[in-house]
Amino acid sequence: QSALTQPRSVSGSPGQSVTISCTGTSSDVGGYNYVSWYQQHPGKAPKLMIYDVSKWPSGVPDRFSGSKSGNTASLTISGLQAEDEADYYCCSYAGSYTLVFGGGTKLTVL
Amino acid sequence: EVQLVESGGGLVQPGGSLRLSCAASGFTFSSYEMNWVRQAPGKGLEWISYISITGSTVYHADSVRGRFTISRDNTRNSVYLQMNSLRAEDTAVYYCVKSSNLNYYIDFWGQGTLVTVSS
Repeated sequence: QSALTQPRSVSGSPGQSVTISCTGTSSDVGGYNYVSWYQQHPGKAPKLMIYDVSKWPSGVPDRFSGSKSGNTASLTISGLQAEDEADYYCCSYAGSYTLVFGGGTKLTVL
Repeated sequence: EVQLVESGGGLVQPGGSLRLSCAASGFTFSSYEMNWVRQAPGKGLEWISYISITGSTVYHADSVRGRFTISRDNTRNSVYLQMNSLRAEDTAVYYCVKSSNLNYYIDFWGQGTLVTVSS
């Protein structure tokens, strides 16, 4: 149950695109198409942004997109907005009803 | 509107016990798997416990196995986390979370309850 690996921080200017990577193993990210991404603003509970690698929950703008290649998943945020500044966590199903999270990435909008 | 309201957090001494509760509303509780996820101060998210729809299947992370026990009462629309032999490293905000079918992802989070383990 080792945590997935994410960059500690990324940044971008308004209107630009940023990509956050999430690297796991064949036992989690690489083994299942069940990667999800969560946005967390300071002092708030996380919010689901992407599920099943690339699907959007209702209400999430399509500026957020997800993908996966091998053991690495990615979250891309296009047309950056000030309100996108937050912590982002990836999560993967790891078999036997268990989940594993990434260490989190702090997104700064310059 | 889906709501998950945690309670039971607080200050406890090392070696002590605490029971967290989570009251669910706004969805058919008995049809969904549930989990607990925690977040230590300034740290990332850590999945710790899963419980099936009927409560017959549970899983715990290695970090809490043997000390924590998840349970649920579908008649009360509630899920619980019994925490024993608490350690300083268990200090965290504990989130009650609702899962997708087969626990592939978390689709809703409670606001969390803070547990502080300190003498």
